[in-house]
Amino acid sequence: DIQMTQSPTSLSASVGERITITCRASQTINSYLNWYQQNPGKAPKLLIYAASSLQSGVPSRFSGSGSGTDFTLTISSLQPEDFAAYYCQQTYITPWTFGQGTKVDIK
Amino acid sequence: QVQLVQSGAEVKKPGSSVKVSCKASGGTFSSYTISWVRQAPGQGLEWMGGIMPIFGTPNYAQRFQGRVTITTDEFTSTIYMELSSLRSEDTAVYYCARALLTVTGEYCFDYWGQGTLVTVSS
Repeated sequence: DIQMTQSPTSLSASVGERITITCRASQTINSYLNWYQQNPGKAPKLLIYAASSLQSGVPSRFSGSGSGTDFTLTISSLQPEDFAAYYCQQTYITPWTFGQGTKVDIK
Repeated sequence: QVQLVQSGAEVKKPGSSVKVSCKASGGTFSSYTISWVRQAPGQGLEWMGGIMPIFGTPNYAQRFQGRVTITTDEFTSTIYMELSSLRSEDTAVYYCARALLTVTGEYCFDYWGQGTLVTVSS
């Protein structure tokens, strides 16, 4: 199975800050990488697909980059509604695996 | 607008089975892949398997092989996930999600059900 490793596992930030979350795959996955946001008690929400494509309706402060094994999710200016957990996922080969998650909370 | 509506919470005994449903509306049911993802309390997301109704052949994660069965009912646009030989570690929220094939050939989960809590306890 492809292992997905996110870092950091948690981070504290302030409204307006720029943050970056990284995701590393244990083998190349080309651009088969998605990012999701999850709020407590809710289903995940797709933010970014194919490493860098913004899902319809998602604010432009979210962006993704990378290919191969190393990927990043950037939030350019944190808003109050962005404090949540974030997961990367590879869909290069089954089983489609997720990173362990990054929890973003208020500093 | 695609909607996935799941069945309600379940409490099961160890060793028993649970069958969770996911009713789809909107879109073309027969043309997209549905996956099941679970999340244990306080933990991350885990893909269990998926099925494309038009082919009817499921694809399961190895660690669930032999315990999980995903089926579909095209007449009611419903997908089912049955997990057998339940143990306490199977206590989790189970989600169905639509796996969309993008124009560039990648899959992503663009619509999710609301989740079904399955509690395994004696």
